Amino acid sequence: TAGITQAPTSQILAAGRSMTLRCTQDMRHNAMYWYRQDLGLGLRLIHYSNTAGTTGKGEVPDGYSVSRANTDDFPLTLASAVPSQTSVYFCASSDGEMNTEAFFGQGTRLTVV
Amino acid sequence: GQNIDQPTEMTATEGAIVQINCTYQTSGFNGLFWYQQHAGEAPTFLSYNVLDGLEEKGRFSSFLSRSKGYSYLLLKELQMKDSASYLCAVIDSNYQLIWGAGTKLIIKP
Repeated sequence: TAGITQAPTSQILAAGRSMTLRCTQDMRHNAMYWYRQDLGLGLRLIHYSNTAGTTGKGEVPDGYSVSRANTDDFPLTLASAVPSQTSVYFCASSDGEMNTEAFFGQGTRLTVV
Repeated sequence: GQNIDQPTEMTATEGAIVQINCTYQTSGFNGLFWYQQHAGEAPTFLSYNVLDGLEEKGRFSSFLSRSKGYSYLLLKELQMKDSASYLCAVIDSNYQLIWGAGTKLIIKP
């Protein structure tokens, strides 16, 4: 079982360029999330989606956009990358119930130069 | 503001017991998670507590005191593979998950 898959695994991106980080899950989970993880900080929520067709802003949404056209896919787009967006990005999904675990993708390590 | 506090790093010996503490100040409380994250990998679920008390799951146990805003993760019979970061996360009153920065656990032979 694939679970939740992110692509690419890593990327070096020139500042000012755009990029889409892909995330796909095969667990039919309703809720999906994008986090960034930086050294010394907890996971910070960028955007989330509680169900297909809806999205919401998390703690650090500026500079990022998402879409949720269907249940399985939740891409994250950086329209014009800046060095402060250098981070490890994790996509996660859950069935949306409060007490259930989230399943994480393997992460995308993004370096903006 | 909302805050989750965990020690940055802990060291323990193989075969021993270690307790990783987590204190939280959040706008409301709807549950607390512990996740394990090996270096360079994704976080994986360990435990969930919503009521006070101890939840035991094999070598790992998690404790919660809502009145004290406190939880701990207890790891017994430590193995080298337990070397990882342990993340505490709290669901607040808006059902948002607030994450601590994690505790890096180093196991020595």
